[in-house]
Amino acid sequence: DGGITQSPKYLFRKEGQNVTLSCEQNLNHDAMYWYRQDPGQGLRLIYYSQIVNDFQKGDIAEGYSVSREKKESFPLTVTSAQKNPTAFYLCASSKRSGEPQHFGDGTRLSIL
Amino acid sequence: AQKVTQAQTEISVVEKEDVTLDCVYETRDTTYYLFWYKQPPSGELVFLIRRNSFDEQNEISGRYSWNFQKSTSSFNFTITASQVVDSAVYFCALSGNMFSGGYNKLIFGAGTRLAVHP
Repeated sequence: DGGITQSPKYLFRKEGQNVTLSCEQNLNHDAMYWYRQDPGQGLRLIYYSQIVNDFQKGDIAEGYSVSREKKESFPLTVTSAQKNPTAFYLCASSKRSGEPQHFGDGTRLSIL
Repeated sequence: AQKVTQAQTEISVVEKEDVTLDCVYETRDTTYYLFWYKQPPSGELVFLIRRNSFDEQNEISGRYSWNFQKSTSSFNFTITASQVVDSAVYFCALSGNMFSGGYNKLIFGAGTRLAVHP
């Protein structure tokens, strides 16, 4: 079955540590996205990518970095510069910009 | 600026009741899309519907129906004869104008938590 796979499901970060969240899709979608969800709030866009080797900052990109070396993969690194990383992170993809986005199951990141 | 407001934070109903989730949006774009997504307790977002700003026809899909009114900037979602499985957080979202560079972004409302009790 086609879909989006995020791993791990739960992740713990120590102070000063960088961590990387994985997102893989086999839907052959061009566009991929990373969102952050805080309790009781909607989703906020961190980064998005329309094609391989290209990505743009979303509304809350500070403290995060991404890469898009392959069409299927869009990993997100939460750096030590992100002072409040505890949140639920959702990855999404779409055929192209503006098409409905399909979401993964999410990664819940907590601070140790 | 673009904004989506879901004024209802939580709604609680008894099974078989009808329930309407409100969504009001703000945008200066003339071309945009509106979406509804469902987030069950497991966490993933499930796409329900996309509506083009040019198409104000109401849509019905089984027990779900959507009322899009451009005059009031609203895109409300009604569940008829609600069921326990409908319990989830529902998000309304707006995409930007493809010509303004905002086409890739989805602006989400804060969500409405719906609890359907047996």
